[in-house]
Amino acid sequence: GAGVSQSPSNKVTEKGKDVELRCDPISGHTALYWYRQSLGQGLEFLIYFQGNSAPDKSGLPSDRFSAERTGGSVSTLTIQRTQQEDSAVYLCASSSGLAGATGGDTQYFGPGTRLTVL
Amino acid sequence: AQSVTQLGSHVSVSEGALVLLRCNYSSSVPPYLFWYVQYPNQGLQLLLKYTSAATLVKGINGFEAEFKKSETSFHLTKPSAHMSDAAEYFCAVGYPGGYQKVTFGTGTKLQVIP
Repeated sequence: GAGVSQSPSNKVTEKGKDVELRCDPISGHTALYWYRQSLGQGLEFLIYFQGNSAPDKSGLPSDRFSAERTGGSVSTLTIQRTQQEDSAVYLCASSSGLAGATGGDTQYFGPGTRLTVL
Repeated sequence: AQSVTQLGSHVSVSEGALVLLRCNYSSSVPPYLFWYVQYPNQGLQLLLKYTSAATLVKGINGFEAEFKKSETSFHLTKPSAHMSDAAEYFCAVGYPGGYQKVTFGTGTKLQVIP
C-alpha cells in the first residue's frame, strides 16, 4: 500500500516569505506527527494530531509555526515569515494511534521536505 | 521524564566486522524501545522494537537488540557489517498507555569501510 507522502520534496524560499508543507499519511492512521531535523541534530518533535485535533503542540518553536489537519487525513504545516534558522528537513510520520495509544506505535515516516531559507 | 542517549554520533566499522550501536534510556516505567534507520534523503524506517515480550528482539536486515533492564540499555548489533548498512540509526523510547510522545535520540551515523 501507499506510504506517507510529503510535498514538495524541496522548497527554497526567501527570508520573510510564508511556506506550506503538505503531508499525506497512510490511509486509516489516526495519529500524525511533524518533526524537524536540522543538520547534525536529532529529530525535534513539533506537533501531534489525533484525528483533526492537536492535543500536543508543545514542540512548535514559535507562533510563526502552525499546522492543521483536515478530514482526519492530510496535514499542512505552515511557517510564516520564514527565517534562516527555519532551514531544515521537515518530516511527517503517521501511526495507527488506536484508542489514542501511541507510545508503542510504529511510526511510518515520509521522505521529508527540505526547506532552505535564503 | 523519558530520554534516550546514543553514545557516539559517528561509528566506523570494516565490512564484515561486528556492528554495535549503543543506546541507553531513562524511564520510570517499563518502556517501549525502538531502533529506526534513515538512509540518505529518506525518512526513517523501523528496524525493530521492544514491547515487553522477549528481551532479545530481531529486526530486519540481520539486526538485533537486547533489552537489559539492569543496564537500562538497548544496544543494536549485527554480526557482520555490509556496505548497504551505511546509514543513520536512531534509538527511541515511548511509554504505554494513552498518548505518549516517543522521544528520539540524536542519532548515530554508521560508516562501513570496504
